Amino acid sequence: DTAVSQTPKYLVTQMGNDKSIKCEQNLGHDTMYWYKQDSKKFLKIMFSYNNKELIINETVPNRFSPKSPDKAHLNLHINSLELGDSAVYFCASRPHEGSTDTQYFGPGTRLTVL
Amino acid sequence: GEDVEQSLFLSVREGDSSVINCTYTDSSSTYLYWYKQEPGAGLQLLTYIFSNMDMKQDQRLTVLLNKKDKHLSLRIADTQTGDSAIYFCALRGSNSGYALNFGKGTSLLVTP
Repeated sequence: DTAVSQTPKYLVTQMGNDKSIKCEQNLGHDTMYWYKQDSKKFLKIMFSYNNKELIINETVPNRFSPKSPDKAHLNLHINSLELGDSAVYFCASRPHEGSTDTQYFGPGTRLTVL
Repeated sequence: GEDVEQSLFLSVREGDSSVINCTYTDSSSTYLYWYKQEPGAGLQLLTYIFSNMDMKQDQRLTVLLNKKDKHLSLRIADTQTGDSAIYFCALRGSNSGYALNFGKGTSLLVTP
């Protein structure tokens, strides 16, 4: 009955590889997000995705590409991984505008690039 | 994060009250949140307050909002060792799909 789930929970990979992180929400929410938490615990938005409209944070390298096959899923694909990509990535979802405006977070995916 | 400021550390004794402070610059934010993150875990929504409110109480938690000073605080009454965690202040942005703008988090340590 997990509301927002992410897979995998841990991901260890080599520099230069391409990897994906999956996110699914069963809350029926319209908007989904990807956040990055760095080693200093600083959380920053990467992408927002609302009903097939993607809003990109301009500071995110284009090696990162979100993909949403349907409203319940927002996956994050990362090309040519770099050491600085090591972080915890959180997916979140939010209900439609007009309802209680709270975001629900997944458990996070800890990515380690060697 | 540079628009939302929090002190980095707070240490309290078990049973005392904890007050975690947050200041922000974006006065247009309509929703302000407190999230808790335990070690190795995800983000847990603790409480939130609308910008037209001054105070919200939820069991041991009290949120105070001073819009004039752009100051938000979270008071935890009767703090327990299980309250030890990082507490994030977050504001709903006015763009980027209403993504949250987080402070850098306050690490709360509760000692017996």
